[in-house]
Amino acid sequence: AQTVTQSQPEMSVQEAETVTLSCTYDTSESDYYLFWYKQPPSRQMILVIRQEAYKQQNATENRFSVNFQKAAKSFSLKISDSQLGDAAMYFCAYRMEGGATNKLIFGTGTLLAVQP
Amino acid sequence: EAGVAQSPRYKIIEKRQSVAFWCNPISGHATLYWYQQILGQGPKLLIQFQNNGVVDDSQLPKDRFSAERLKGVDSTLKIQPAKLEDSAVYLCASSLGTAGIYGYTFGSGTRLTVV
Repeated sequence: AQTVTQSQPEMSVQEAETVTLSCTYDTSESDYYLFWYKQPPSRQMILVIRQEAYKQQNATENRFSVNFQKAAKSFSLKISDSQLGDAAMYFCAYRMEGGATNKLIFGTGTLLAVQP
Repeated sequence: EAGVAQSPRYKIIEKRQSVAFWCNPISGHATLYWYQQILGQGPKLLIQFQNNGVVDDSQLPKDRFSAERLKGVDSTLKIQPAKLEDSAVYLCASSLGTAGIYGYTFGSGTRLTVV
């Protein structure tokens, strides 16, 4: 069964610094999609970045980038020039495909604090 | 475009009572999902609709939970009777296509407390 593991329950970073959040996953599939979601106190899950497994190039979105290591089944998120608004819970998610379903399987999340 | 709308935002009920949550997805989004997020955990899929048909309800506790999506648009999730362990945030999400390869758009959720 596919699983997603986030081994860092909490992380802290100084404003303007860089932080990396870790995520590993387990799958026997060769083609899949990975996502990072941000959940602020408002509770709404906001898509930060996505990665297609068949693409070797790491995805980037402004200050957010990923380090995708397919062989190691690792998918870390790097936040550069951290801002106070980046403080939130971050979830790594794997898109499972099986028949008609395409559900996302989430990790347990990493709570990121940004210190001024 | 308008986001995924959910109501109510908060709900407190006693165990054994019933409760219903409502979701209005983004216009044109064919696929709708209900997720349960227990405190300290990641969201877990309860049910997935494709238009108004169910494609995955394998994680839905069918003895107490039910869901419907009328006319392929709005959806309601009901719990009857509620248990203490149902305390969680219930998130609704939608996606444009069936594949969801671009991720989902989530609502702000309903926080349910069962006392």
